[in-house]
Amino acid sequence: DAGVIQSPRHEVTEMGQEVTLRCKLISGHNSLFWYRQTMMRGLELLIYFNNNVPIDDSGMPEDRFSAKMPNASFSTLKIQPSEPRDSAVYFCASTRGQGGHEAFFGQGTRLTVV
Amino acid sequence: GQSLEQPSEVTAVEGAIVQINCTYQTSGFYGLSWYQQHDGGAPTFLSYNGLDGLEETGRFSSFLSRSDSYGYLLLQELQMKDSASYFCAVATLSGGYNKLIFGAGTRLAVHP
Repeated sequence: DAGVIQSPRHEVTEMGQEVTLRCKLISGHNSLFWYRQTMMRGLELLIYFNNNVPIDDSGMPEDRFSAKMPNASFSTLKIQPSEPRDSAVYFCASTRGQGGHEAFFGQGTRLTVV
Repeated sequence: GQSLEQPSEVTAVEGAIVQINCTYQTSGFYGLSWYQQHDGGAPTFLSYNGLDGLEETGRFSSFLSRSDSYGYLLLQELQMKDSASYFCAVATLSGGYNKLIFGAGTRLAVHP
């Protein structure tokens, strides 16, 4: 298996533009976590899904952020409109079962909003 | 809510042993995990403790005391490649599902 795959690896966009980050889970995993990492705030859990259903989105910072999981292997995180303070590295991670302790992370998307 | 405390930085020399502590406050505690992250890379899983005691994986060991809400990661025979950030993460059970909350990370610098 190729592991968790995120795209794009790097994204530079102008303030106000829509940004879509993509994540492909490891086959057989059914829990999906989206994290945001910054120097100031560390690794923040934004939202997580189990079997395509959002379980907890309390970490989503604002209505500008939305996440979907249209099927068992794919998820998107959308920011609309983007702002400079959204600049961060965004990771998705997947686990087996109903969430768990061994999470497999993608390589991340480094987002820069100018 | 949840909170995790770990030191921000640790420095050690090659061949030495270093211990990174983690204390936590959370409801629905399920277990404690440790992850390693090199600069520019993604977090990778190192170890998990669901029960009290010591888990050993090669040069790395992890310990948990549920009654003290405390755990540590022990790295032995340090190598330069161990220079990285180390995160403790609590798995919490809510509504039948686990979620992972990470600490702020400990930056380990290994010197010759």
